[in-house]
Amino acid sequence: QVQLVESGGGVVQPGRSLRLSCAASGFTFSSYGMHWVRQAPGKGLEWVAVIWYDGSNKYYADSVKGRFTISRDNSKNTLYLQMNSLRAEDTAVYYCAREVITIFGVAVHAFDIWGQGTMVTVSS
Amino acid sequence: DIQMTQSPSSLSASVGDRVTITCRASQSISSYLNWYQQKPGKAPKLLIYAASSLQSGVPSRFSGSGSGTDFTLTISSLQPEDFATYYCQQSYSTRLFTFGPGTKVDIK
Repeated sequence: QVQLVESGGGVVQPGRSLRLSCAASGFTFSSYGMHWVRQAPGKGLEWVAVIWYDGSNKYYADSVKGRFTISRDNSKNTLYLQMNSLRAEDTAVYYCAREVITIFGVAVHAFDIWGQGTMVTVSS
Repeated sequence: DIQMTQSPSSLSASVGDRVTITCRASQSISSYLNWYQQKPGKAPKLLIYAASSLQSGVPSRFSGSGSGTDFTLTISSLQPEDFATYYCQQSYSTRLFTFGPGTKVDIK
C-alpha cells in the first residue's frame, strides 16, 4: 500500500525550531521527487519546498527560503523539513507529497500521493 | 513567478448540475496544469493532470480542458460526494510550483 505518514508537528514558540518527518512506504522512495505543501487554518494550499529524487536539487518558496531546509534519507525512506526561526504565519497543516513526473509518457509533475498532514502551531 | 487565479472563489450548486471552474495563469504554462479536490480535514486528491487527463480512479464526470493561460475544470453532473474545494496547480515551473486560491463548491 502506497503511503506517506507525516510526524513531528506540535506547538512551538516564535523563533524556535521544529523538524517534520514523512515516512514513505509501498513504493521506491528513491525514485521520486518529494514536496512539502502547507495549509494555514481556513486558507488554501501553499507549496513550500521540493527535493529531487536523489537529493541533488532543492527549491523553496520565497516565504520560507533561508529558514526551512528540506532533506531526505533514501536509506530510511524518509523525507524531512527542518523549520527554523518559526513565525506565527508558519502555523499550518504540513503535507508531504510525492511528485510523479510522467504518467503514460506525458510529462506532468503532479502530486499523486499525499500524507494525512501534521499540524504546526507557532504561538507564545 | 507564475501566479494562478481561479474563478469563482465559491459557488453553490445542486446535485445533477453542470459545474465549471476556471483557472488562469499569469503566463503561458502550456498544458502543465493539474487539478486537485480537497474535502474538509482531508489531504488533497489529484483529479486531472496535464490539463485534460483523468487520474486513475477518478469518475468520468470530471473533465479538464485548456492550454496556455486559460483552463477549466468541469463536473458534468454534480454528485453529493463532489462538494469540496478545488485547486488548480501549475507545474510548468518545476522550481516554484504554485496553487490557485481554490474554489469551494457547496450545496445550494
